[in-house]
Amino acid sequence: GAGVSQSPSNKVTEKGKDVELRCDPISGHTALYWYRQSLGQGLEFLIYFQGNSAPDKSGLPSDRFSAERTGGSVSTLTIQRTQQEDSAVYLCASSQQLNGGELFFGEGSRLTVL
Amino acid sequence: KQEVTQIPAALSVPEGENLVLNCSFTDSAIYNLQWFRQDPGKGLTSLLLIQSSQREQTSGRLNASLDKSSGRSTLYIAASQPGDSATYLCAVSPAFSGGYNKLIFGAGTRLAVHP
Repeated sequence: GAGVSQSPSNKVTEKGKDVELRCDPISGHTALYWYRQSLGQGLEFLIYFQGNSAPDKSGLPSDRFSAERTGGSVSTLTIQRTQQEDSAVYLCASSQQLNGGELFFGEGSRLTVL
Repeated sequence: KQEVTQIPAALSVPEGENLVLNCSFTDSAIYNLQWFRQDPGKGLTSLLLIQSSQREQTSGRLNASLDKSSGRSTLYIAASQPGDSATYLCAVSPAFSGGYNKLIFGAGTRLAVHP
């Protein structure tokens, strides 16, 4: 596609429910990233996928968070048993270059946990 | 631990002024530095990327400089316009194996340009 596409744009859920957030990167980009932007915390790295290598999950805040990337393209970020502190905007980005290239961000998925 | 600081946190100026936004980082071991723009409720738009070996990059009315040894970058906006109103974010890419892709962001400078 022309840009990074994320869905849903907004998600309101109840505490304890599971949510899935989807990211469709720019076609041909080998690297895909998830970041979280919350009030008071700024932008935090969560996870990145690079080609066929194992993902770097070092930024995931707890084992309730997981992500996968199927076929080297679309990625899904899953949050299990959501908590109120999970409320944030989840941003996905992709990059053509494998290391330290220019990142192109989607518009984010705003998650509100009641 | 790398920390990125942006000053000022907020800035309000009349149209036409030339602006300087500041970014500082505590660890000079960076691979590159990027400036982004974020409009309210939107994602980030990449403005300029400066590799660690470069001193500056220019795009239109924007010029970004990098002084890696002193841990500083500035974003210069010439002849500001109301359409420049947004939050500007600075991010560094750590220069260690496995770190390149984990951008560390500053908190941003919220810019308002009024007619």
